Amino acid sequence: NAGVTQTPKFRVLKTGQSMTLLCAQDMNHEYMYWYRQDPGMGLRLIHYSVGEGTTAKGEVPDGYNVSRLKKQNFLLGLESAAPSQTSVYFCASSPFGLRDYGYTFGSGTRLTVV
Amino acid sequence: AQKITQTQPGMFVQEKEAVTLDCTYDTSDPSYGLFWYKQPSSGEMIFLIYQGSYDQQNATEGRYSLNFQKARKSANLVISASQLGDSAMYFCAMREVSNFGNEKLTFGTGTRLTIIP
Repeated sequence: NAGVTQTPKFRVLKTGQSMTLLCAQDMNHEYMYWYRQDPGMGLRLIHYSVGEGTTAKGEVPDGYNVSRLKKQNFLLGLESAAPSQTSVYFCASSPFGLRDYGYTFGSGTRLTVV
Repeated sequence: AQKITQTQPGMFVQEKEAVTLDCTYDTSDPSYGLFWYKQPSSGEMIFLIYQGSYDQQNATEGRYSLNFQKARKSANLVISASQLGDSAMYFCAMREVSNFGNEKLTFGTGTRLTIIP
């Protein structure tokens, strides 16, 4: 089925370890986003991309890096994980120009940093 | 400043009653979009309804309707004839487009709705 796929679904990291979360979409969408969800804070935008080779900072970018080398993939990296990065991470995508498109979300990655 | 405000952290509603979930927003852009999403306990984000800032009529999708009051900057979600399956977290979100064409979606903190049998 077409959609947004996030890997892995669950991960436990030790403080200081690094990891990369992968988001892949097969809908040829231009825009891709990474959010984190924490209790009582809704979804907060980490980084986003408006096309292949582009990235931009969102509301909470510190401690994260991203890359969009291919249109279908958007990678979120944690170089040195901290307990404050324990969260559920969502990737989303949307096409350019469809103003009423509801965005397609992945199923989320639950990350715990101990 | 908070761009999307949802003032009801939790609500309990009797089954079959209508429920209104509040959302206010803040933007100076004339063109924007407002969305509502449902997040059940399984965790996925489900798109419910959209309202554009230039849309003259309130959006409706089945049992969902959006009470859009532009002057008051509010976009409340109304669920008619609530069902047990409506129990979930509900998020209001606003899409803004910058001068450079960058588009992003900003979320409120959510309202947890519980339907009581």
